[in-house]
Amino acid sequence: DAGVTQSPTHLIKTRGQQVTLRCSPKSGHDTVSWYQQALGQGPQFIFQYYEEEERQRGNFPDRFSGHQFPNYSSELNVNALLLGDSALYLCASSWTGNEQYFGPGTRLTVT
Amino acid sequence: GEDVEQSLFLSVREGDSSVINCTYTDSSSTYLYWYKQEPGAGLQLLTYIFSNMDMKQDQRLTVLLNKKDKHLSLRIADTQTGDSAIYFCAEKAGKLIFGQGTTLQVKP
Repeated sequence: DAGVTQSPTHLIKTRGQQVTLRCSPKSGHDTVSWYQQALGQGPQFIFQYYEEEERQRGNFPDRFSGHQFPNYSSELNVNALLLGDSALYLCASSWTGNEQYFGPGTRLTVT
Repeated sequence: GEDVEQSLFLSVREGDSSVINCTYTDSSSTYLYWYKQEPGAGLQLLTYIFSNMDMKQDQRLTVLLNKKDKHLSLRIADTQTGDSAIYFCAEKAGKLIFGQGTTLQVKP
């Protein structure tokens, strides 16, 4: 049984560009959450998707948006990239939102 | 408000017990979690405890919850070098709120 998968593994972008990160949840899970982890910090909650709707959102600007597809996979989009957006982006999946299982993350570097 | 605090660093000798502590602020948290993160990797769910429990044991791991003081601890028995990692405590009040992480160094 495959766990949570994320793509790409690493990404380098320039300030002002846009990026899309992808996540496939663990089999049987219907809820996907996204987190941003800056170097040396704990993960910060961005938003959570359930039944293709954003169910909850953290303190992130509208430049961060997402989508969930009928097969429960999800995308995170970030527009107008800033240097401060450089981080590890983690996707977590769960059934009902309780036990969240994390993927390996996408390392985004903005130059 | 929502806040989770952990001490930043713990060093132990192989074979000793490790105790990692955490305090949280949201009394409405239903579950409290411990995650492990190795360098360059995602987070691995180690264990969790429901807020109406005082203790949970899972092999070498023991979680203690003092709900009155909003204090959570993780005890690792017989700590091994493979346990060296960053350990995050997290509370769930709808969304997961993480602490800054405790780096556990295990010396041979």
